[in-house]
Amino acid sequence: QSALTQPASVSGSPGQSITISCTGTSSDVGGYKYVSWFQQHPGKAPKLMIYDVNNRPSGVSNRFSGSKSGNTASLTISGLQAEDEADYYCSSYTSSITWVFGGGTKLTVL
Amino acid sequence: QVQLVQSGAEVKKPGASVKVSCKASGYTFTSYKMHWVRQAPGQGLEWMGLINPTGGNTRNAQKLQGRVTMTRDTSTSTVYMELSSLRSEDTAVYYCARDNQEWSFDIWGQGTMVTVSS
Repeated sequence: QSALTQPASVSGSPGQSITISCTGTSSDVGGYKYVSWFQQHPGKAPKLMIYDVNNRPSGVSNRFSGSKSGNTASLTISGLQAEDEADYYCSSYTSSITWVFGGGTKLTVL
Repeated sequence: QVQLVQSGAEVKKPGASVKVSCKASGYTFTSYKMHWVRQAPGQGLEWMGLINPTGGNTRNAQKLQGRVTMTRDTSTSTVYMELSSLRSEDTAVYYCARDNQEWSFDIWGQGTMVTVSS
């Protein structure tokens, strides 16, 4: 199972919005609603930000939103804040009854 | 509160095995499946496998087939991940992560660093 494709890095200024893409295939992202996004700060465990494409766990800011079109999922962060600077990973359930992650995207808040 | 507490760092020689534990608390252990995910230094996340604490059924990543064994002890609400025939490429932080019943990972352990070095 190949990793999902994410841009290596994105950046934005405080208050702006950014979008991170996550491209897979019809056997993973395109075939199921089970796409998640995780935030990871250096030296910390990942934190679930979005599950089932566009659902936020309790306690996650509504500045984070998710969507999907075909084989590509997206995470949008609006009103960028300094604390949003982190690595972001997408994941998807697959037709092989396994899970696959994206390679990760480093978000820099300028 | 809901939490997963993992065992401490390990240093192993190539060819050896390592067993990492993950103790759950704050919820009904048998109601949620548990995943294992690893992250090599400076690299991304890699899904390793899944165990159902109810019956002990497991599902592993094909890449690790034959080398990874996941077990659980319901009496102590603990899951274990054992990786054998260790090689330098297995050097990573190993995480357990609870499945939120929507095929995602909502609660993560603090991570266990496993270093494989001669």
